[in-house]
This record gives sequence, structure tokens and C-alpha cells, in this order.
Amino acid sequence: DTAVSQTPKYLVTQMGNDKSIKCEQNLGHDTMYWYKQDSKKFLKIMFSYNNKELIINETVPNRFSPKSPDKAHLNLHINSLELGDSAVYFCASSQGGSVTDTQYFGPGTRLTVL
Amino acid sequence: RKEVEQDPGPFNVPEGATVAFNCTYSNSASQSFFWYRQDCRKEPKLLMSVYSSGNEDGRFTAQLNRASQYISLLIRDSKLSDSATYLCVVTIYNFNKFYFGSGTKLNVKP
Repeated sequence: DTAVSQTPKYLVTQMGNDKSIKCEQNLGHDTMYWYKQDSKKFLKIMFSYNNKELIINETVPNRFSPKSPDKAHLNLHINSLELGDSAVYFCASSQGGSVTDTQYFGPGTRLTVL
Repeated sequence: RKEVEQDPGPFNVPEGATVAFNCTYSNSASQSFFWYRQDCRKEPKLLMSVYSSGNEDGRFTAQLNRASQYISLLIRDSKLSDSATYLCVVTIYNFNKFYFGSGTKLNVKP
């Protein structure tokens, strides 16, 4: 009965590789998000999609590309991984597209770039 | 200047103690406020919204001070299970923006 799920939970990879993280929500929500939480625990929004349309696109290197095949899925592809990409990446969803809606987070993907 | 600032702590308190955290925000256009809780190596979860008039949920009380631009979270009768990091969230509805603080760590000790 997982509400927001992410795969993989852990990802260890070499610099320069390309990797993807998948996210799915079964809450029927319209909006999904990707966050990066660095070692200082600062949680920063990267992208947001509402009904498969990009609505928030913060200043993120263009090596990061989100893809939303349908409103229940939001995947994150990262090209040419760098050491500084090591972090925990959280997916989240909310009912509507308002910034005041409660967000439900996935368990996170811990990415380590060697 | 960061949009949202929190004292990282840790706040180390004994069981049963009352503890309070503040979260300051820089943009006076901020409109909605929330507290999230994040356990170690887990995802953030909504703890409570913060209403203008203040609100209470059991042992937890949240307040907003618009004049001084901060929100607060008060926890009474702390339990061991309250140990976590508490993140504040500030939203600016008109600009479709929201910001998470970096969190305040609470350790409740027996």
C-alpha cells in the first residue's frame, strides 16, 4: 500500500555515468516533485510536474532531466554524474498544483557518486 | 540571505521537557507555513500547518508572528519518539514558490 515509491533505494555509481531514478504514486495526485537533500540536510526543490506538465523548474544543471509519462510517474535522469550530485533524492506528490497543498514524500534514493 | 532559516541544533532535552523552535523567513509576501518532521534517514512528513491564529494538535503548538517574520513550534511533555529533525516550510502562493528550512534536530533523552 505504498503511497509514493522510489527505485532504487540506493545507487552507487562512478563519475561520468548516466543513471535514472523512478518514482510512482498511487494516491491519484495531480502534482509530483523532485527534491535534492544534501549532506547539510537542506531540502531543495528541483522540478515539479502537474498532470505531466512542468510547472516548477528551479536552477538545476541541464544534466538533470525529468520525465513524466503519466501523472502517476515522474522519473529523473541524470547524465554525466559528478561528485557533487551525491545526495538523497526525494520524490513527492500533492493533490493539486498549489504550493500550499500537503506533500507526501517517497522514501528517498541515496545516490553516491565515486 | 536564505529564504528560511532554522537553528540546526541539536536540542538535547530530557523526557517530559517542553522545547520550542523558531523558524525565520525573509520574504514578507510569505503566505502559508508548515512544520514537517523528518526521522533519521527517512522522508519528511507533514506534522502540522501553521495558522495565523495559532493552532494546537495534542502536545504540539504552532504559532505565526508576521510582524517579526517567524513561526514557532512548541512541544510539551517531550517523548523519546519526538526525536527527529523538524523542518519548516514557507510558501509564497502568488509566485508559486515554497522553501524548506534545513531543519532543527531534536534529541529527547531518557
